[in-house]
Amino acid sequence: ETGVTQTPRHLVMGMTNKKSLKCEQHLGHNAMYWYKQSAKKPLELMFVYSLEERVENNSVPSRFSPECPNSSHLFLHLHTLQPEDSALYLCASSQALAGGGNRNEQFFGPGTRLTVL
Amino acid sequence: KQEVTQIPAALSVPEGENLVLNCSFTDSAIYNLQWFRQDPGKGLTSLLLIQSSQREQTSGRLNASLDKSSGRSTLYIAASQPGDSATYLCAVRTTEETGRRALTFGSGTRLQVQP
Repeated sequence: ETGVTQTPRHLVMGMTNKKSLKCEQHLGHNAMYWYKQSAKKPLELMFVYSLEERVENNSVPSRFSPECPNSSHLFLHLHTLQPEDSALYLCASSQALAGGGNRNEQFFGPGTRLTVL
Repeated sequence: KQEVTQIPAALSVPEGENLVLNCSFTDSAIYNLQWFRQDPGKGLTSLLLIQSSQREQTSGRLNASLDKSSGRSTLYIAASQPGDSATYLCAVRTTEETGRRALTFGSGTRLQVQP
């Protein structure tokens, strides 16, 4: 596996379900990100992790709970979601959160298409 | 707060044309600007990253320019091909009042290249 992978690629869940999205990066990067892409809206940054520490929570509802057990893996735990949470959830990674050169160039996974019924 | 606008929202051209996609941003104090490509229902593929100190970057048939002072970037695609059909996203990294370095995306330009 190379680059950034996400599983599952598609997920349908009810409002009372609990599910998790998984992201794995094989690039040796230290920063990882969760984004939400809703129809006809720009990508919205949800969470940022740097060296396994959450450095940013962009006013995301508590029904979304991220977890970063190590620098290669990032999870997004979902519970009691709403239909308006249906979207494409994208994971990205970068070599670093800041710094010069291309160290903060972000590489994206294929996304998880989430539908909440 | 940084805002990124992309014009046009959609573009349809015949194969072989050279074309320009535009991106503008309101806060010129950026660190870098990145162009992405997104195929329908898929993730983003990084095309070019321009540091704030650079004026342009080139990769194959793609050329991206940056005019930081005027808050503009253009993505030039030479000799377009049907395989170029996708949504092209522009994103800028800036420092906000909170000190957060954020990557702000535009809404994208949806390109269709007709064979």
